[in-house]
Amino acid sequence: GAGVSQSPSNKVTEKGKDVELRCDPISGHTALYWYRQSLGQGLEFLIYFQGNSAPDKSGLPSDRFSAERTGGSVSTLTIQRTQQEDSAVYLCASSSTTGRLGTGELFFGEGSRLTVL
Amino acid sequence: KQEVTQIPAALSVPEGENLVLNCSFTDSAIYNLQWFRQDPGKGLTSLLLIQSSQREQTSGRLNASLDKSSGRSTLYIAASQPGDSATYLCAVKGSSNTGKLIFGQGTTLQVKP
Repeated sequence: GAGVSQSPSNKVTEKGKDVELRCDPISGHTALYWYRQSLGQGLEFLIYFQGNSAPDKSGLPSDRFSAERTGGSVSTLTIQRTQQEDSAVYLCASSSTTGRLGTGELFFGEGSRLTVL
Repeated sequence: KQEVTQIPAALSVPEGENLVLNCSFTDSAIYNLQWFRQDPGKGLTSLLLIQSSQREQTSGRLNASLDKSSGRSTLYIAASQPGDSATYLCAVKGSSNTGKLIFGQGTTLQVKP
């Protein structure tokens, strides 16, 4: 697609429920990132996928968080047994890191706003 | 561990003024540095990307400079307009083209008409 697409744009859930957030990166981008932005806070790195390499999961805050990237394209971030502190905007970004145009510039989606009641 | 700091946290200027936003980072071994703009309730929009071998990049009224040795970057905005009001974030990528970006906390800019 023309840009990074994220869905849903807004999600309200009850504490203890599982949620899935989807990211559709720019076509051909080999790298995909998930960040979290809590109210009034900076961007917190969660996880990074690069091609077929093992993902960098070093930013996932707990084992309730997981992510996968199927077929090197679409990614899903799953939060199990949601807690109120999980309320935040979850941002996805992609970049091209290979070839002549592989500058590594990140392009972000509009984010998924998660509210846990 | 790389840390990125942006000063000031907030800035208010009258329309038409030229201004400089500052970004500093602790580890000079970076691959690139990127400046973003974020409007309230929106995602991040890439403004400028500076590779480690470059000293500056320009786009319209925006000019970003990079001094790796001192761990600093500046974003210069010429002839500011109310539409420039937003939060500006800088982020650095480590020593290779793969890997995560580390973000500063941002500078929230208000340009008054």
